Parts: sequence; C-alpha cells; structure tokens
Amino acid sequence: EPEVTQTPSHQVTQMGQEVILRCVPISNHLYFYWYRQILGQKVEFLVSFYNNEISEKSEIFDDQFSVERPDGSNFTLKIRSTKLEDSAMYFCARRRANEQFFGPGTRLTVL
Amino acid sequence: KNEVEQSPQNLTAQEGEFITINCSYSVGISALHWLQQHPGGGIVSLFMLSSGKKKHGRLIATINIQEKHSSLHITASHPRDSAVYICAVTPASGGGADGLTFGKGTHLIIQP
Repeated sequence: EPEVTQTPSHQVTQMGQEVILRCVPISNHLYFYWYRQILGQKVEFLVSFYNNEISEKSEIFDDQFSVERPDGSNFTLKIRSTKLEDSAMYFCARRRANEQFFGPGTRLTVL
Repeated sequence: KNEVEQSPQNLTAQEGEFITINCSYSVGISALHWLQQHPGGGIVSLFMLSSGKKKHGRLIATINIQEKHSSLHITASHPRDSAVYICAVTPASGGGADGLTFGKGTHLIIQP
C-alpha cells in the first residue's frame, strides 16, 4: 500500500510558467518533506512542513518556491516562474516514526 | 555542513556474490537511512538505523556511530537487486523535522 501518491507523474512546462506539484498522503500525518533530484545528481532537500507550517528550508528553496496544505490533505509545491534548471524529479515524503516514505515522484521538464 | 560519502560509486558483480556498500558521514546524526532507487525513479526505504545492526531478508545494515560509518550488505545477490542504493542521514540537530542529507548513491548491477 503506497504511503504517498503524487500528481502529475510528468509535467512539461514552458520557462517562466507556474507549476503546482501535488502530494496526497494516504493517512493523516504531520511531517512532510519535498526533495528534488536533478538528472544524474543526488537527491536534495527542499523543505520540511510540520503541522501546516514550514519547519525548515534549504538554500535551494528560494522565493520562487512555496508550499501549502490548502485543504488539510493535499500538500502542494508551487514554483512561480520556472527556470530551465528546475527540471528534475520532485519527491514528496512523509515521516512515520523517524522513517521517511517517499512518493513515486513528479518528473518536471522545463522547456 | 554534513557530507555523506558513499563507495563505490559503481559496482558490477555476478549473481550470488556478497555485496558491500559503504557510507561515511561527517557530523553527528540521529539516524542513518539506506534507500533503494530503481530505474523508474521511485525511492524505497530499506533501513533506518541509529545503532547496531538490522537484517531484512538478504539485506543487512550496520552502523558504527563512533567511526561515523555504515555498511549495507547483500547476501546471495540476484539480478533483481540491481538498483541505486542511497545512504542518507538525519542531522542530530534537526529536532525531528529536518530533511535528509543524501549521498550520491551506489549504482549496483548484478549480472546473471
């Protein structure tokens, strides 16, 4: 049983456009994370979200990024004005008992 | 800044061989994670360790906190074990909400 689902699985967008990536946890938990993995590189932490607030963010998570949990269930990552270098796999994860469970990822391609 | 180093970067072995992947890190941690990533991109958690040793089927993970080192072993390796194995750590100062710091991964290929 998947812990987390993500939509869409693949998103293609034009540079400068806004994109919203969605994460749907199967059960109600408090800790969520967004990570990204540029092709051929290691996974990098973007932001952690605890009890409906940002808990910590990395240097990558600049003003172009935002996270929300608009309806108390879905957890979204918004990139306001995409750049070519935003092309990557984006993973949502949730935490249970100090272990993290990853969603299948969204592949974002910026043209 | 915590760095996570893995070795080897690439490993090709024959089916049945005993596999060892190593991970070292530079600062204090509250937990170390071994993850598996298949070609499709999905990431699966294999182990989370804070001390000692864990075993799950043919997989064994060990950690030495004093030496800041962990190993992942695969016994009786099989072609289906072919994947990227990633070491990641939870920083000790995180208070539980910090994201993981990842190694670059070890690309393992098991040939029949």
